[in-house]
Order: sequence, then structure tokens, then C-alpha cells
Amino acid sequence: DAGVTQSPTHLIKTRGQQVTLRCSPKSGHDTVSWYQQALGQGPQFIFQYYEEEERQRGNFPDRFSGHQFPNYSSELNVNALLLGDSALYLCASNVGGVGKNIQYFGAGTRLSVL
Amino acid sequence: AQTVTQSQPEMSVQEAETVTLSCTYDTSESDYYLFWYKQPPSRQMILVIRQEAYKQQNATENRFSVNFQKAAKSFSLKISDSQLGDAAMYFCAYRESDYKLSFGAGTTVTVRA
Repeated sequence: DAGVTQSPTHLIKTRGQQVTLRCSPKSGHDTVSWYQQALGQGPQFIFQYYEEEERQRGNFPDRFSGHQFPNYSSELNVNALLLGDSALYLCASNVGGVGKNIQYFGAGTRLSVL
Repeated sequence: AQTVTQSQPEMSVQEAETVTLSCTYDTSESDYYLFWYKQPPSRQMILVIRQEAYKQQNATENRFSVNFQKAAKSFSLKISDSQLGDAAMYFCAYRESDYKLSFGAGTTVTVRA
């Protein structure tokens, strides 16, 4: 049973460019959340997708957008990259509808903006 | 907004000894969930233990146990019989309903052989 998978593992971009990160949830999971983790800090919630809709959003600008597909996989898009967007981006999945359900994380995508 | 505070940036423990990591949180809710996650250098965030706020009994998972003090909004993690493989960054996290996790800043645990 595959866990949460993210691609690519590492990405290097320059300021002003756009980037797309991808996530496949754990089998049986229908809810995907994205987090940004700056070096040496705890993850910060970006947004969550459920039934192909953005259900909740953290304090991130509109440059951060996402999408969930019918097979529950998800993309995170970041436009007009800034140096401060350099971070580890984590995807987590869970079965929606029950608050106690555990969020399982992928290994993340390390984004470096030069 | 919920805030989670981990006041210990780093902790060091001798192999086979016990270490306790502290975590406090702020909420006005009565029903919520608390978690400890471990993040080794491989970056994968791994769930260590989970506590449901309405349960009085402290959760235990093998060598890992928590001390949940709801009134004090405290949720500490005890690692017993520490092993070299326990070395990692540990994050305390709060979750309300079915939505986001709010994480603390983390505590780096070093295990001395």
C-alpha cells in the first residue's frame, strides 16, 4: 500500500517563475492538505482540498493556488516566486469527515528559489 | 487562532534514558485533537502518538507516552528507554475538527550513545 507520494523531490527555480508541485494521497484517502515548512521551523498550513474544492485556507497570498483531481491527487501552484518561498512543501492526506483521522505526510518537495 | 508553543529548541538524552518534551497550546474549544509527529533527516513526518481531548486517559504507544493536562492546556511527550533511532525533530500539533494541523516550532532530540 503506497503512502503519500510527492513529486519532484527537489526543485530549483528563479525569482518570478512559476512552479507546480504534485501529490498523490494514500490509498483510500480523499482529503489533501498542503503545508510550507521553512528551514528550522514547524510546518505552516497553506490549504486543504476535499471533493475537489478548497475547504480551508491558511494565511498565504493568492500566488499560492491549488487543485484536486477526481482521483483525489492534488497540485500546488506558486506564481511569481519570491526568495522567501524557498522551503520544504509537505502534502498530507486523510480520510475526510472524521476529525480524529490521522493526516499522513509525504516526504516533501524541497523548493529553492534563486 | 490556535497557537502551539514548544519551549525547548533542543534536548539531549543518553541512550536508554528518558526525556520529556513540553508543549502548550491555546484554544477556546473543548473538543480537539493533539498529536506528536517525528521528523527525521529523511524529512518524512511520522505520527508518534495521538490524544483526543475528550479522553481523560493519557495515550501510550510502546516507549512513547503523553501527559495531557486539559485545564493547563499542556501536552508533553515522554520518550522512555531512548534509542539512537529516536534522534529527530519532534513537533507538537493541534487539530480542531477535520481541518488543519497547527504545529509548534519543534524540538530537536539528540541521543548520545
